[in-house]
Amino acid sequence: GAVVSQHPSWVICKSGTSVKIECRSLDFQATTMFWYRQFPKQSLMLMATSNEGSKATYEQGVEKDKFLINHASLTLSTLTVTSAHPEDSSFYICSAIPPGQGAIEAFFGQGTRLTVV
Amino acid sequence: GEDVEQSLFLSVREGDSSVINCTYTDSSSTYLYWYKQEPGAGLQLLTYIFSNMDMKQDQRLTVLLNKKDKHLSLRIADTQTGDSAIYFCAEKRYGGSQGNLIFGKGTKLSVKP
Repeated sequence: GAVVSQHPSWVICKSGTSVKIECRSLDFQATTMFWYRQFPKQSLMLMATSNEGSKATYEQGVEKDKFLINHASLTLSTLTVTSAHPEDSSFYICSAIPPGQGAIEAFFGQGTRLTVV
Repeated sequence: GEDVEQSLFLSVREGDSSVINCTYTDSSSTYLYWYKQEPGAGLQLLTYIFSNMDMKQDQRLTVLLNKKDKHLSLRIADTQTGDSAIYFCAEKRYGGSQGNLIFGKGTKLSVKP
């Protein structure tokens, strides 16, 4: 299957600092990527849809200014958690859907564990 | 309540079959998926089924869909210790954005030797 890679796998940062998470599609071009957040023992919640060359689409309740998304190329989307606080600690996962498959199969990155201390 | 519901835990012995169940609420769902998540890792797509199908088999995996009851199941034959993970059921609804899969909370499968 297609490969989606996230970096870093885990990160610890101090309150008030910003953290950037990268999501790359390694073997296909993705005009759209998706960012999810997963709380412990909870399901994944879609945060936003990242669109190459245009603004991201955020789900209701997600703060645009806190979670900055940039989709600068067809293989890279970044999520920046700005002024992070402990409540932002979570597991963040991105996904992308390879073109030409009827938009059926979504492939996920390995996730990034963010801990804010 | 949750849109997609799964039991939280399942424990089986190695070699037995595992059956993980899922119920969903939206009859307009177009595709239903099963993902596997190992500790500290992302989601691995295992299989999916189109809503007009009743069954799909892929090696050790069998997916059954009862659209009338909105019930989806994943059967893993000859379960191995390497199958221990959390299994997520997800639905894609008609008209929903491509990325907006609705996930259940996941079923943690423990395989005992």
